[in-house]
Amino acid sequence: DADVTQTPRNRITKTGKRIMLECSQTKGHDRMYWYRQDPGLGLQLIYYSFDVKDINKGEISDGYSVSRQAQAKFSLSLESAIPNQTALYFCATSDFGVQGRGAEAFFGQGTRLTVV
Amino acid sequence: TQLLEQSPQFLSIQEGENLTVYCNSSSVFSSLQWYRQEPGEGPVLLVTVVTGGEVKKLKRLTFQFGDARKDSSLHITAAQPGDTGLYLCAGLPYNFNKFYFGSGTKLNVKP
Repeated sequence: DADVTQTPRNRITKTGKRIMLECSQTKGHDRMYWYRQDPGLGLQLIYYSFDVKDINKGEISDGYSVSRQAQAKFSLSLESAIPNQTALYFCATSDFGVQGRGAEAFFGQGTRLTVV
Repeated sequence: TQLLEQSPQFLSIQEGENLTVYCNSSSVFSSLQWYRQEPGEGPVLLVTVVTGGEVKKLKRLTFQFGDARKDSSLHITAAQPGDTGLYLCAGLPYNFNKFYFGSGTKLNVKP
């Protein structure tokens, strides 16, 4: 089983609909992230969470919301989907980085979302 | 504006050639990571460099962290078709709060 699992893997939805992408992890990490990937733009951070009670906005949080239901679960919602939110979405987890060792991000397999 | 700039953006080479990918920033990082991503998959970590001037080797891949901890390079010797993919660098600042990713280098190695 994958350490970081995203559902669904693919989703087509209509403009204006609310949609939720789910992420669960078995790494035991406190830190979880949601990224969006568009061609030529690398990974853009949407939201991140350092524990269940800690939620932080990333670079492109407008139009998105998140919920950290448990240490292992972090979901991303699009309140009212629009076509320019069509992209590849990744959930990631990491341990707490320390001086001299850095930190590693573990990614899920991604959700390909199309808004029509 | 990307905090980390990667170059080149695209690279198409023949099997057996050498190549270098660059990751540059005006910011200082506590560590820098390189990831490789294949189509339809999430990025997977290749290496983490944590000391200024550090050089790490992973088979035919050589990674270097700049002395000032602002830049890094990835050199591939005798590229193979299996090296094809998107290479991403990511920097972790000293507050260790989040990763900053470069825009990626898409490498295609032709047989």
